[in-house]
Amino acid sequence: QKEVEQNSGPLSVPEGAIASLNCTYSDRVSQSFFWYRQYSGKSPELIMSIYSNGDKEDGRFTAQLNKASQYVSLLIRDSQPSDSATYLCAVNRDYGGSQGNLIFGKGTKLSVKP
Amino acid sequence: DVKVTQSSRYLVKRTGEKVFLECVQDMDHENMFWYRQDPGLGLRLIYFSYDVKMKEKGDIPEGYSVSREKKERFSLILESASTNQTSMYLCATKRGGNQPQHFGDGTRLSIL
Repeated sequence: QKEVEQNSGPLSVPEGAIASLNCTYSDRVSQSFFWYRQYSGKSPELIMSIYSNGDKEDGRFTAQLNKASQYVSLLIRDSQPSDSATYLCAVNRDYGGSQGNLIFGKGTKLSVKP
Repeated sequence: DVKVTQSSRYLVKRTGEKVFLECVQDMDHENMFWYRQDPGLGLRLIYFSYDVKMKEKGDIPEGYSVSREKKERFSLILESASTNQTSMYLCATKRGGNQPQHFGDGTRLSIL
């Protein structure tokens, strides 16, 4: 059973701090990794895609990928109360005709305190 | 911008009814997906489609069927609704290859 694991949280950080969200995956051949943000009662919104080992930065967000360790992380710098949401890690299923399918973690709930 | 439209935000139906959930996209994406999301269980894939008239079962297809007669439209059908199908239903689309999926706003379905 291919899996994506995330700490469910809640992760609580003060405003202005760095929030660090972590994700591990079991399928060694996965090639595509995504972070989605989901506000309560809303649908998931894509915030980052990463395909290669290393860091990828977009504004206050940095995604980090280590394929050897099967580990993906998301750093949020200068956290704001508006960042309070559940963050979903998603990894592609790379087999057969299902390369476009994603396996989602259950999400980490982030709370940024003013 | 990616636009995925689900026909209803909230829907209330009775057990035994046949329920249709519609999803329309305007990006000419080949791939479309239906998920349900429940507290503690996360997102679970019901059905997906890689092309018109093509459909594949996901992880939890029982009690559901789908239809894709046109590229832009993917319908989820609950053949005979049951209370355990009360959930948030999410449609997603993507281009081919390793592109991300983009979600509609979701339909919160209650079966009474």
